[in-house]
Amino acid sequence: NAGVTQTPKFQVLKTGQSMTLQCAQDMNHNSMYWYRQDPGMGLRLIYYSASEGTTDKGEVPNGYNVSRLNKREFSLRLESAAPSQTSVYFCASSEIWLRGETQYFGPGTRLLVL
Amino acid sequence: GNSVTQMEGPVTLSEEAFLTINCTYTATGYPSLFWYVQYPGEGLQLLLKATKADDKGSNKGFEATYRKETTSFHLEKGSVQVSDSAVYFCASQGAQKLVFGQGTRLTINP
Repeated sequence: NAGVTQTPKFQVLKTGQSMTLQCAQDMNHNSMYWYRQDPGMGLRLIYYSASEGTTDKGEVPNGYNVSRLNKREFSLRLESAAPSQTSVYFCASSEIWLRGETQYFGPGTRLLVL
Repeated sequence: GNSVTQMEGPVTLSEEAFLTINCTYTATGYPSLFWYVQYPGEGLQLLLKATKADDKGSNKGFEATYRKETTSFHLEKGSVQVSDSAVYFCASQGAQKLVFGQGTRLTINP
């Protein structure tokens, strides 16, 4: 099992460009998440999908959109990138949307917006 | 809402030293508590967790006890190794979302 995979690993964008970050999991998990990691701030939840067909905003959703394409895949889109979106993005999944469930993380995408 | 406060880093220790990384939380109700570890260039992975008061989570020589009276979940290890060098995140999960502390960078010197 590959677990949670993310593409690309690294991306440089110019302000105003758009891009989609891809995430896939092969653990048959129902719930998936997108986080951003900034220095000194831990991880902050951008969007999540409790189950296939549903998506909800997290703590910092502005400037992002998501699509739960199917049970395996959950993509994050930046429509018009801004320098404030320079960050490391992590996708995660868990078996179900429940207190106490372990989340499994991908290796991350490092994004630089110039 | 829920929040987590971790010991400020970075922390540098010698091999075989005793480690404590402090973590306190604020929450309504009784959250589940986690420690995640991030090795260089990798994503986070679960180190240990506890889902109710007085539970002790343990893994790879690390331990943490869920203390409701002090709202704490401090991470400890009796004898650290160079391979323990990483960033450690404390996290709390109430009814829904997982909330992370800011992370503590740990460096172990041989």
